[in-house]
Amino acid sequence: GAGVSQSPSNKVTEKGKDVELRCDPISGHTALYWYRQSLGQGLEFLIYFQGNSAPDKSGLPSDRFSAERTGGSVSTLTIQRTQQEDSAVYLCASSPQLGRSTDTQYFGPGTRLTVL
Amino acid sequence: DQQVKQNSPSLSVQEGRISILNCDYTNSMFDYFLWYKKYPAEGPTFLISISSIKDKNEDGRFTVFLNKSAKHLSLHIVPSQPGDSAVYFCAASTDYGGSQGNLIFGKGTKLSVKP
Repeated sequence: GAGVSQSPSNKVTEKGKDVELRCDPISGHTALYWYRQSLGQGLEFLIYFQGNSAPDKSGLPSDRFSAERTGGSVSTLTIQRTQQEDSAVYLCASSPQLGRSTDTQYFGPGTRLTVL
Repeated sequence: DQQVKQNSPSLSVQEGRISILNCDYTNSMFDYFLWYKKYPAEGPTFLISISSIKDKNEDGRFTVFLNKSAKHLSLHIVPSQPGDSAVYFCAASTDYGGSQGNLIFGKGTKLSVKP
């Protein structure tokens, strides 16, 4: 069956521009997570969705970052006025349950964002 | 401050031998630990996990050991195969404090298995 998909796979943008990253979770998965991996770092949690609501936005690094999820499915991560330090691989994951620590998360291939 | 630490950025092992990847954590509220494997240009894939109430979980060639008193876990791969060459991430999770299962990852260890 189809896994988690993300688009675009690569995005190069100029500093100060806005970008939108898209995630299509596995069909029927309730929980959706965004992470990012900066160069030489581990994956860093950004935001969690349960259905369409985001009870945990604690990982968003600044107010330039926002995310939404519609129809309990597709999610979009938006970064406004991008900075060079935003350059990273942005990964999306989904899981079938409601955000328990024991639920396996299935990751997409990621979007590599480069801010020039 | 890193809550999950993988102090070895890389490890090289001969095919057929044992690979041991280590991970340390600082948060005593973590109750679930996972290992993910990542190939270049792909997302991480779940490998094996262990609950904090256990000290060992085995799945084929992969075994994870948990030492709660030392806040240490390790992943053993026996025998190692060239296809195991990848970056391995240790991750931890907790339901405490309403964290909703988000994973805290280490920086990863790049394993190279040489034929």
